[in-house]
Amino acid sequence: GNSVTQMEGPVTLSEEAFLTINCTYTATGYPSLFWYVQYPGEGLQLLLKATKADDKGSNKGFEATYRKETTSFHLEKGSVQVSDSAVYFCALKRDDYKLSFGAGTTVTVRA
Amino acid sequence: ETGVTQTPRHLVMGMTNKKSLKCEQHLGHNAMYWYKQSAKKPLELMFVYSLEERVENNSVPSRFSPECPNSSHLFLHLHTLQPEDSALYLCASSQGRGSTDTQYFGPGTRLTVL
Repeated sequence: GNSVTQMEGPVTLSEEAFLTINCTYTATGYPSLFWYVQYPGEGLQLLLKATKADDKGSNKGFEATYRKETTSFHLEKGSVQVSDSAVYFCALKRDDYKLSFGAGTTVTVRA
Repeated sequence: ETGVTQTPRHLVMGMTNKKSLKCEQHLGHNAMYWYKQSAKKPLELMFVYSLEERVENNSVPSRFSPECPNSSHLFLHLHTLQPEDSALYLCASSQGRGSTDTQYFGPGTRLTVL
């Protein structure tokens, strides 16, 4: 079946540090891949997505590239801010209604 | 209003109460979803509706009863809940079921069962 594995947190960084959150997936066929972000007390917001191999999704300084050869979709940001403190979820979707989520990675950025 | 809205944002209820959660989407989507997010557990898909027809019901106890009167509104009726049902309940919508159809989430209802 489909599954997503994310690096375990929590991750604590200083402001302006480089952030990487690893995500790998298992799926048949050609899924789409997503990163969602959940700020404290809120629902999930779509951060970025990629729908085919070698696509790069980007938004708000975050980037992730769909790597079929390594079945990965790692999230990166070059210089984090305190406002980036949140829980980040990697997710996978095939041609059905089910969105398969990773466990989530809690990121805390200190000033 | 834009996107997906949910009311109430917070709800406290006793085990014998009956309450309802409401979700409304303003995106013109055809599919709507209920998810449960509990502490230390992965997100759980509860129900899926497409064009007002229930298409998935993932072994959810009968004390949770969904209703989809039209493609813009989704309700979750709650009765005789247990303390372990305390969680964040998230509503989402999407255009369809395709792999590129993004699910957009509401802010959630934080439910506490006493």
